[in-house]
Amino acid sequence: AQSVTQLDSQVPVFEEAPVELRCNYSSSVSVYLFWYVQYPNQGLQLLLKYLSGSTLVESINGFEAEFNKSQTSFHLRKPSVHISDTAEYFCAVTARGNAGNMLTFGGGTRLMVKP
Amino acid sequence: KAGVTQTPRYLIKTRGQQVTLSCSPISGHRSVSWYQQTPGQGLQFLFEYFSETQRNKGNFPGRFSGRQFSNSRSEMNVSTLELGDSALYLCASSLQTSGTTDTQYFGPGTRLTVL
Repeated sequence: AQSVTQLDSQVPVFEEAPVELRCNYSSSVSVYLFWYVQYPNQGLQLLLKYLSGSTLVESINGFEAEFNKSQTSFHLRKPSVHISDTAEYFCAVTARGNAGNMLTFGGGTRLMVKP
Repeated sequence: KAGVTQTPRYLIKTRGQQVTLSCSPISGHRSVSWYQQTPGQGLQFLFEYFSETQRNKGNFPGRFSGRQFSNSRSEMNVSTLELGDSALYLCASSLQTSGTTDTQYFGPGTRLTVL
């Protein structure tokens, strides 16, 4: 079984400041890792994913996350946030090699960007 | 290509009733998963269907059931509704060209309120 811990439930930050949303996971097997974003009254949108290869993955809107196997972390970062980044962010994992999809999510981090 | 669609978007029921939610996956996607999102428990996996068969199941009571049709559309049913079933129910689809984990794309959800 897997578990995911998002260490901060809320992160307030000023516009154009950098931000890091922390995610740690626990698993007895290798995992795939994901970050999803949820805007108010909407479903989840995939932000980025780590399946294999380079441990640093990037999204098209300036976010990046780095897979750290030794620390079992997958923190999300952005060097300069915008008001439009205000949303809830979810880290998720699933076991490699499983036949099927079963995401385990963290509790979410609400990013609040202030002008 | 159209995204994942869910109907209805909002639903109000009373305790003891039953409800059916519908999900149409992205065209060509063969796997459909369902998740429950509540403020207290966060995002929890309900079940996954692939080729009309339930492939994975989360830890929910038997009141929660689902099915998948030959066109990959899926329905979930909750019988004997309880107040605690009030939640956002999210459907996700994935391509699943192989038997391993694939990226899931989420619909906007159905907001169920049980009175």
